[in-house]
Amino acid sequence: GQQVMQIPQYQHVQEGEDFTTYCNSSTTLSNIQWYKQRPGGHPVFLIQLVKSGEVKKQKRLTFQFGEAKKNSSLHITATQTTDVGTYFCAGYGGATNKLIFGTGTLLAVQP
Amino acid sequence: DAGVTQSPTHLIKTRGQHVTLRCSPISGHKSVSWYQQVLGQGPQFIFQYYEKEERGRGNFPDRFSARQFPNYSSELNVNALLLGDSALYLCASSSGGYRVAYNEQFFGPGTRLTVL
Repeated sequence: GQQVMQIPQYQHVQEGEDFTTYCNSSTTLSNIQWYKQRPGGHPVFLIQLVKSGEVKKQKRLTFQFGEAKKNSSLHITATQTTDVGTYFCAGYGGATNKLIFGTGTLLAVQP
Repeated sequence: DAGVTQSPTHLIKTRGQHVTLRCSPISGHKSVSWYQQVLGQGPQFIFQYYEKEERGRGNFPDRFSARQFPNYSSELNVNALLLGDSALYLCASSSGGYRVAYNEQFFGPGTRLTVL
C-alpha cells in the first residue's frame, strides 16, 4: 500500500536556527497537506500544495511540492520556541478518499 | 464558532468490551473522518462519511464501524476491544464535497482510549 515517510524523525535545534523536514511518498500524490501537532494537542492544518513544483510561504515557513509530486518539504527559518511540535505531511494518492499521513518529524527548540 | 467536539475525552475499557466515540463537526461541515493515532505515530485513516454515507474506509478490521446522523454528527464503534486498540481517536470535519482530497481537515481534540 501507499506509504509516506518523513525524515528526520526528530530534530533538536537552538532557537534561531533553521529547520527542514522532508516528506517522501511511495506513489504519486494528488496533493500534499501539512499539519502541526503540539504536544498533547491535535493536528492543525498549515497549508495545501496541489501543483507540481509549487512553492508557498507563510511568514517563516516555506513549503515545496516536488516536480514528480512524490515528495515535499517544509523549511522553517529562524526557529522560535512556539514552533515546537510534530509536523506531519499528508497526501492523497489515486481515487480513494484516504488521507495518508506521514510518519512525522518532532521538532524541539531550545531557547 | 465552536470547533469540532468529541466525547468522551478519556475512556478506560477492558479487553473484549465495546466502545462508542462521538463527534460533532463544525457547523455547516457535512464530511466527517475518523483517525486512529498511536503514540509516536501519524494519524491513520479509519473512515470518512459524507451526507450519512460511507465514502472511504481504511485498513481496519470489521470490529470498527461508524455512522453519520442527519445532523452530520458521527459515532465510531469498536467491538471486542484489544490491547492494541489503545490510542488517540481523532475526528475531523471538512467543508466542500465528498471528495475530501482537497479539503482542509479540522480536527477535534480526540478521545484517549486505554484498553486494559
